[in-house]
Amino acid sequence: ETGVTQTPRHLVMGMTNKKSLKCEQHLGHNAMYWYKQSAKKPLELMFVYNFKEQTENNSVPSRFSPECPNSSHLFLHLHTLQPEDSALYLCASSQDFMGNEQFFGPGTRLTVL
Amino acid sequence: QKEVEQNSGPLSVPEGAIASLNCTYSDRGSQSFFWYRQYSGKSPELIMFIYSNGDKEDGRFTAQLNKASQYVSLLIRDSQPSDSATYLCAVNPQGGSEKLVFGKGTKLTVNP
Repeated sequence: ETGVTQTPRHLVMGMTNKKSLKCEQHLGHNAMYWYKQSAKKPLELMFVYNFKEQTENNSVPSRFSPECPNSSHLFLHLHTLQPEDSALYLCASSQDFMGNEQFFGPGTRLTVL
Repeated sequence: QKEVEQNSGPLSVPEGAIASLNCTYSDRGSQSFFWYRQYSGKSPELIMFIYSNGDKEDGRFTAQLNKASQYVSLLIRDSQPSDSATYLCAVNPQGGSEKLVFGKGTKLTVNP
């Protein structure tokens, strides 16, 4: 595996379900990010982790819960989501905490019914 | 609120022409600037970055930065149908934060 991988690639869930998104980077980077991409809106930064420590929580509702067990893995735990949370969720990583040159994973297309 | 503005397009150019994509940003202290290409259904892919005023060329791509005007552009020479995608401008605001602020993107179509 190379680059940034994400699983699952597609997810359909009901509003009462609990699911998790997984991201893994094989680039030796120290910073990882979760973004949300909705139609006709800019990429929205959700969370930033630098050396496993969360350094940014961009006013994200508590129904989204990130977890970063090490510098290579990042999870996004989902529970009691709303239909408006349906979007493409992208993971990215960068070499350092300055956020430069972020490399993106393929994304998880999430649909909340 | 730090903002990055792009014309959403669509921008349509004939094959072989120069495509010009523009981006303005609100934070005067911004230090680094990035262009990402996103094909439909795919994730963004970094194609250019620029830190200093002036031009930076990489193959058919040229990034232009004018910090005084808070303006960054991407020129694509000899446009190909495979260049058809949405181009996202991203700016790293001052202060060395981890955050990149993205524009909404400009959709480019190159017609054969």
